[in-house]
Amino acid sequence: DVKVTQSSRYLVKRTGEKVFLECVQDMDHENMFWYRQDPGLGLRLIYFSYDVKMKEKGDIPEGYSVSREKKERFSLILESASTNQTSMYLCASRTGGGNQPQHFGDGTRLSIL
Amino acid sequence: DAKTTQPNSMESNEEEPVHLPCNHSTISGTDYIHWYRQLPSQGPEYVIHGLTSNVNNRMASLAIAEDRKSSTLILHRATLRDAAVYYCILRPFGNEKLTFGTGTRLTIIP
Repeated sequence: DVKVTQSSRYLVKRTGEKVFLECVQDMDHENMFWYRQDPGLGLRLIYFSYDVKMKEKGDIPEGYSVSREKKERFSLILESASTNQTSMYLCASRTGGGNQPQHFGDGTRLSIL
Repeated sequence: DAKTTQPNSMESNEEEPVHLPCNHSTISGTDYIHWYRQLPSQGPEYVIHGLTSNVNNRMASLAIAEDRKSSTLILHRATLRDAAVYYCILRPFGNEKLTFGTGTRLTIIP
């Protein structure tokens, strides 16, 4: 089975801090994604990557950046955390084209105080 | 992008079939229909996808209307483990993104 592992289930940070969320997948997938999930808004795509060192903006990239130095690891960075970035963050990976299933991690619940 | 409309919530009895509807009246000819579900405290998981024909897999069946303006996810015999939020998503051909809505919260009654 594909395993997508997010480094923390719960994280509490302070306003203005630089925050790193890590995601690792073990199936050599080319594509990786970062979403945030908020009540009433569903999942919204922040960034995705289809190869090492490649990245594409999703629907809500403002305030975030990403890094993909190795194929199995995709990091989401909050450059200067703000309270409106308190959310559940979900990472996913996928092989091949758009109809292949995305495999999700269990999420990181991030609170910015 | 075309949008989907799903009921906010549904209930079903355990061991009975469940039909989860999705309306997508503005679907284009090359949009694929994907379904995911999200169990409590977990990330979403893939259920099924299709384009025009009905599809079956070990988890569910997908029935697509002839005009493609609606589809129905069918769970043939619901168990308590099927209690989840179910998302119906349209994926335009050539678009790598999935746009999740707010889904249908399915409650299974023992």
